[in-house]
Amino acid sequence: SQQGEEDPQALSIQEGENATMNCSYKTSINNLQWYRQNSGRGLVHLILIRSNEREKHSGRLRVTLDTSKKSSSLLITASRAADTASYFCATVESYGKLTFGQGTILTVHP
Amino acid sequence: DVKVTQSSRYLVKRTGEKVFLECVQDMDHENMFWYRQDPGLGLRLIYFSYDVKMKEKGDIPEGYSVSREKKERFSLILESASTNQTSMYLCASISSAGGNTDTQYFGPGTRLTVL
Repeated sequence: SQQGEEDPQALSIQEGENATMNCSYKTSINNLQWYRQNSGRGLVHLILIRSNEREKHSGRLRVTLDTSKKSSSLLITASRAADTASYFCATVESYGKLTFGQGTILTVHP
Repeated sequence: DVKVTQSSRYLVKRTGEKVFLECVQDMDHENMFWYRQDPGLGLRLIYFSYDVKMKEKGDIPEGYSVSREKKERFSLILESASTNQTSMYLCASISSAGGNTDTQYFGPGTRLTVL
């Protein structure tokens, strides 16, 4: 079942701008993860945030988590053309099973 | 370097054929997964395995079966391929040692077309 819902479905920005993607989920979580997928390829893990964390940084990535609203956001600062990809949030269940959102397609124009 | 490989990047099969999709990981991971990805539907879990010869159904197991005879290999089987199984298939693995805080590692995907 699809748990995460992402917003917007598509985002188009210029290089150097910031990109913000949002994700909502329905059930309680232990952690939430963000993945990136280049066109027609496999997924690459970007960042994991635990349910007791509110914010986490990794390079140009900043993730926030609001468990009271069951939502998370991914911010990419100073975007580059190479950031063009689809971005997915995923909640984790037993055995490490992931439930993914629909994803946000990010296009960064040079 | 962590690696999950899938036997084919692109595959074209005919309706009714038996199709095998192979996935191999070299990380000694216990848990392995098969997802399919479709436009507008995102990624959905087909089957997963938490140990050799152990398997569990995911959200959409109908029309599929799996095999895990060795720890490093997890096969997805389409007994009689149908056109609605045309999709991108992604394999993933994760270590069970870290509980559910570990990340999953994905293969490059197999784009299957059933004619």
